Amino acid sequence: GDSVTQMEGPVTLSEEAFLTINCTYTATGYPSLFWYVQYPGEGLQLLLKATKADDKGSNKGFEATYRKETTSFHLEKGSVQVSDSAVYFCALRTPNFGNEKLTFGTGTRLTIIP
Amino acid sequence: DTEVTQTPKHLVMGMTNKKSLKCEQHMGHRAMYWYKQKAKKPPELMFVYSYEKLSINESVPSRFSPECPNSSLLNLHLHALQPEDSALYLCASSQDWGRAATNEKLFFGSGTQLSVL
Repeated sequence: GDSVTQMEGPVTLSEEAFLTINCTYTATGYPSLFWYVQYPGEGLQLLLKATKADDKGSNKGFEATYRKETTSFHLEKGSVQVSDSAVYFCALRTPNFGNEKLTFGTGTRLTIIP
Repeated sequence: DTEVTQTPKHLVMGMTNKKSLKCEQHMGHRAMYWYKQKAKKPPELMFVYSYEKLSINESVPSRFSPECPNSSLLNLHLHALQPEDSALYLCASSQDWGRAATNEKLFFGSGTQLSVL
């Protein structure tokens, strides 16, 4: 079945550091890929998405590129801020009949220290 | 209005109680979802409603009973819950559901933190 493997956390970085959170996937067909973020005490929000190979999703300084050859969708940001502290979930959806649900990775908790 | 509103935010109930969680959206979305999230885990899908009809039940115990009274509202009725059912219950919505909607984003509410004593 479809699955998402995310880098284990927690991750702690200093403000203005470079961030990478690794995400790889296994899926039949051609999935759409997503990064969702969950701030403390809140629900999930879509951070960015990509729907086909070589697409780059970007939002709020975060970027991720859909790499079909390596089945990856790594999240990057050049300079993190304290306000980026949250849990980040990589996810996918495939257009396979009966399996169109959003499949999440385990989540990576990110803490940014001033 | 791009919000999904959930009430209550917190709920404590005994194992013999009956309670309901409520979810509302006014974005004209035709798909609505219930997820369960345990601490430090990803959300797990429970139910999907599409055009007010139940499309997916992920083998959820019958002590959880979903209801979609109209296209804007989604309820989750709770009865005879167990302590292990304590979790954050998230409602979400999207424009549509199914094979043509796999690149759509889900809009999540802030959740109901449920404690079963």
